[in-house]
Parts: sequence; structure tokens; C-alpha cells
Amino acid sequence: AQSVTQPDARVTVSEGASLQLRCKYSYSGTPYLFWYVQYPRQGLQLLLKYYSGDPVVQGVNGFEAEFIKSNSSFHLRKASVHWSDSAVYFCAVSAGTGNYKYVFGAGTRLKVIA
Amino acid sequence: GPKVLQIPSHQIIDMGQMVTLNCDPVSNHLYFYWYKQILGQQMEFLVNFYNGKVMEKSKLFKDQFSVERPDGSYFTLKIQPTALEDSAVYFCASRRNTEVFFGKGTRLTVV
Repeated sequence: AQSVTQPDARVTVSEGASLQLRCKYSYSGTPYLFWYVQYPRQGLQLLLKYYSGDPVVQGVNGFEAEFIKSNSSFHLRKASVHWSDSAVYFCAVSAGTGNYKYVFGAGTRLKVIA
Repeated sequence: GPKVLQIPSHQIIDMGQMVTLNCDPVSNHLYFYWYKQILGQQMEFLVNFYNGKVMEKSKLFKDQFSVERPDGSYFTLKIQPTALEDSAVYFCASRRNTEVFFGKGTRLTVV
């Protein structure tokens, strides 16, 4: 069975600073990995996804993530955050086969301050 | 891009009453899902549905829950009877191939 751990429940960064949100997954097979962002009272918006190939994937709004198989990690990064990036970020893993059920992490609430 | 529509966005229901949450999936999608998100917590898988059948359900998918997609129309989640702990945001999702698309959710408040 899959599982996802996002160890940081809350992260606060200054506008313009760099960002890393951590995600570790557990899955014995080849995972499909995702990062989603959720703004207050909104649905999920896909930031980026990894299926295979280049372990560094680029997403929307300057986000990127790196799949490190040896570490079972898929951390999200951004070089320079903007106040509008304040939201909750969810990492998710899917088996990529079968019913493609997603397992989500608990989320990291990002606050960008001036 | 493709959109999954959920109607209504917010519903308030008296405890013990029945509620049906409606999802209009992407038109050519074949696989459908419901997820539940209690306020401030992660989304959790409830059920997935394909070819008229429940393929997998979690322990959160209580006996009071049912899903169907009659005549290829809305994909629905019915809760009968509702309980206070059913208050949450319910997200519908659909897919055809590998990419899953999520709706914006229906906030269900049981009072």
C-alpha cells in the first residue's frame, strides 16, 4: 500500500526567498507522483507530476520537483516565492496501475510574508 | 482544459436526512472517484467506480454511502442517512487514461 509523509505542517517564508516543501512516499513499485495546491475553499490545482524519465520535473508558476528514488522523496521547490503562493500544498502518490487511486499527504500550509 | 463539475458547491442538510452529491465528469472519462476532506485535513479516498461497478472502497465508505452513474449522466454519491461526522468537502474525480481530474468539491454541512 502507498503512503505519503509531508513532515512540515506549516512553513513560513519571506517573499522572494527560495522554498522547499518536503514529501516522502512509500510504495514498493514505480510510483506516479504529484504536487497539488489548494487555495482557501477551492479545489485542487495540479502543479506538476512525475511518471518517468527526467527526475526533475517543471510545473506551473516556477515550481519544480525532483524525484529521488534512493530517498523515496519528491520535494517541491521554487526559487523565489510570491505572496500569492500562500496556500496548502499536497503531495500525492498513485500506483499508476490498477485503479489509479491517489494517496495524499497531510499537506503543508505555506505562508509567504512580506 | 477538461473540467469536472460538482453541483452544488455547498449543501446544508439535517442529520438523518438523505443527500445526493452530483458530479459531472469529463465527457469521455470512464473511471470515477470520490474523495473526502474534513476541514484542515488531507483528502482521503472513498471509492472508485468503473463500468457500473464499485472497484474499490475504503473503510470511510460506510454502509450509508452509495454511488451510481445512471445512464451515463451524473456520477452521484448518496448518503442515507447522514450523520454529523459526514460534514466535509467531497471531491469528485474522473479519468480516462493516466491523468486524473478533480472537481472543486461540494462542501457538505450536516446540522
